[in-house]
Amino acid sequence: NAGVTQTPKFQVLKTGQSMTLQCAQDMNHEYMSWYRQDPGMGLRLIHYSVGAGITDQGEVPNGYNVSRSTTEDFPLRLLSAAPSQTSVYFCASSRGGGQGNTEAFFGQGTRLTVV
Amino acid sequence: LAKTTQPISMDSYEGQEVNITCSHNNIATNDYITWYQQFPSQGPRFIIQGYKTKVTNEVASLFIPADRKSSTLSLPRVSLSDTAVYYCLVGVRDYKLSFGAGTTVTVRA
Repeated sequence: NAGVTQTPKFQVLKTGQSMTLQCAQDMNHEYMSWYRQDPGMGLRLIHYSVGAGITDQGEVPNGYNVSRSTTEDFPLRLLSAAPSQTSVYFCASSRGGGQGNTEAFFGQGTRLTVV
Repeated sequence: LAKTTQPISMDSYEGQEVNITCSHNNIATNDYITWYQQFPSQGPRFIIQGYKTKVTNEVASLFIPADRKSSTLSLPRVSLSDTAVYYCLVGVRDYKLSFGAGTTVTVRA
């Protein structure tokens, strides 16, 4: 059981380039989310999805797009990379069920550097 | 979301018990308290969740007093591998987690 898989693990982009961070889960979870973590800080929510075809913005959505065409995949697109987007990106999934079942499963992260 | 306050860092030695207290004075009636653990270069990992009194699993215990305005995560007999950042979350949905800076626990030999 692979859980949540993120690719790539490391990426260096030039300012203005675009790219897609991939996230896939094999647990048949309805909910998926993207977070970014800057050095010494907690995670901040970028976008999330509560099911295929449904996405919404989180705390820091600017400069990022998402789509959810299948239950398994939730890619994050950087439209025009900026140095401020240098960060570690985490994808998470959960099966939902209300507050008493708040267990999210995280991927290993993608370390992105924009130069 | 209820605001949480927890210590920035804690030091301990192998074999000791580590207790991390989280304050959440404005917790709502239906809010649960959840703790995550994050090792360097890894994503966070769910540790434990509770609503009131005491919850125990194979990793930790969570103590919640009657007024629920604080909670304490207890890690029994820590080892070097328990060195990590521990996050206290209150009143969150599983797809919309809100992480603060957490508590960095350093275990020394």
